[in-house]
Amino acid sequence: QSALTQPASVSGSPGQSITISCTGTSSDVGSYNLVSWYQQHPGKAPKLMIYEGSKRPSGVSNRFSGSKSGNTASLTISGLQAEDEADYYCCSYAGSSTFLFGGGTKLTVL
Amino acid sequence: EVQLVESGGGLVKPGGSLRLSCAASGFTFSSYSMNWVRQAPGKGLEWVSSISSSSSYIYYADSVKGRFTISRDNAKNSLYLQMNSLRAEDTAVYYCARRGSAVAGHRDAFDIWGQGTMVTVSS
Repeated sequence: QSALTQPASVSGSPGQSITISCTGTSSDVGSYNLVSWYQQHPGKAPKLMIYEGSKRPSGVSNRFSGSKSGNTASLTISGLQAEDEADYYCCSYAGSSTFLFGGGTKLTVL
Repeated sequence: EVQLVESGGGLVKPGGSLRLSCAASGFTFSSYSMNWVRQAPGKGLEWVSSISSSSSYIYYADSVKGRFTISRDNAKNSLYLQMNSLRAEDTAVYYCARRGSAVAGHRDAFDIWGQGTMVTVSS
């Protein structure tokens, strides 16, 4: 049960787009279309941003989108805003009601 | 308002025990699988344990298997985590999280989180 691989940090200027990758294996990301993404501001609980790879919960901005290719899932944030600065975590279902999280990516809005 | 509120964290010595609780409100607790997720200081999220709506299916991460026990009381809308043989590496904020489903929405994602309770294992 190794953690999914995410870049430690990404950055972008307001208005730009960024993409965060999340690489797993054929046993988790590659086997299920059940990757979710979470936003976490300092000292706060995580917030669900994307589920089932590309679906947005009600209330989440359409600037957030998700996709998957093979064993790698991606989160794209377009039109970066200052409030998007946070840590982002991917998570994949790994079978038998178990889950794997990524190590997290710190997004800095320049 | 849909809400999860954890309690029971604190300072405990290595080898000691602690029981965490999570009180749910604002939704039909008995219809959802519930989970514990932890976050060590300055580190990422780690899934810890899962329990199905009727307690029929229970799963643990390898890192806590044999030491932690998850349980729930649907009559009290409560989730629990009994932690035994605690180690320094168990030091973390522990979150309870609701798991979505194909029927209820947000399938296999953690759509509601508590605010977390801090567990510190130190002598």
